[in-house]
Amino acid sequence: DVKVTQSSRYLVKRTGEKVFLECVQDMDHENMFWYRQDPGLGLRLIYFSYDVKMKEKGDIPEGYSVSREKKERFSLILESASTNQTSMYLCASSHSRETYEQYFGPGTRLTVT
Amino acid sequence: AQSVAQPEDQVNVAEGNPLTVKCTYSVSGNPYLFWYVQYPNRGLQFLLKYITGDNLVKGSYGFEAEFNKSQTSFHLKKPSALVSDSALYFCAVRDWNDYKLSFGAGTTVTVRA
Repeated sequence: DVKVTQSSRYLVKRTGEKVFLECVQDMDHENMFWYRQDPGLGLRLIYFSYDVKMKEKGDIPEGYSVSREKKERFSLILESASTNQTSMYLCASSHSRETYEQYFGPGTRLTVT
Repeated sequence: AQSVAQPEDQVNVAEGNPLTVKCTYSVSGNPYLFWYVQYPNRGLQFLLKYITGDNLVKGSYGFEAEFNKSQTSFHLKKPSALVSDSALYFCAVRDWNDYKLSFGAGTTVTVRA
């Protein structure tokens, strides 16, 4: 079974702190994604990566950055956390072939106070 | 641009009755369509996908979905709902030549005993 793990299930940070969310997948997937999920808005893509050291902005990249130094690991960074970044963050991965579905991690619920 | 609409925020059905969750989409090219389910405090689980071929797609847990090109719809169905089907359901679409998925806002399904 594909396994996507995220470093924390719950996280509480203060405004202005630098926050790191880690995601690891064990299926040698080329593509990795970071989404945020908010009620009534569904999932919105923040960033994605289709190869090591490669990244592309999604629909809502402002206030976020990412790092992919190894194929299995994709990190989301909040340079200076703000209260409007309080959300559920979901990581996903998929093969590069067009028809492959994305597999999701359990999510990290981040609260910024 | 690609987008998905899930016109119902909530669907309530009695156990044993048919369940339908509606989804319409918009893409510029050929659509790849997906349904995911999210149980409380969990990540998204893949249910089924339409890529090409037969318009009726069967997936996990007895769910199926029908692709209708003329109506640009991909409704999720289950002939006999279970209480355990109560969850949040997301429809997603991507264009055939894109990595990115676009998600609907989600539909909360409640199955009463």
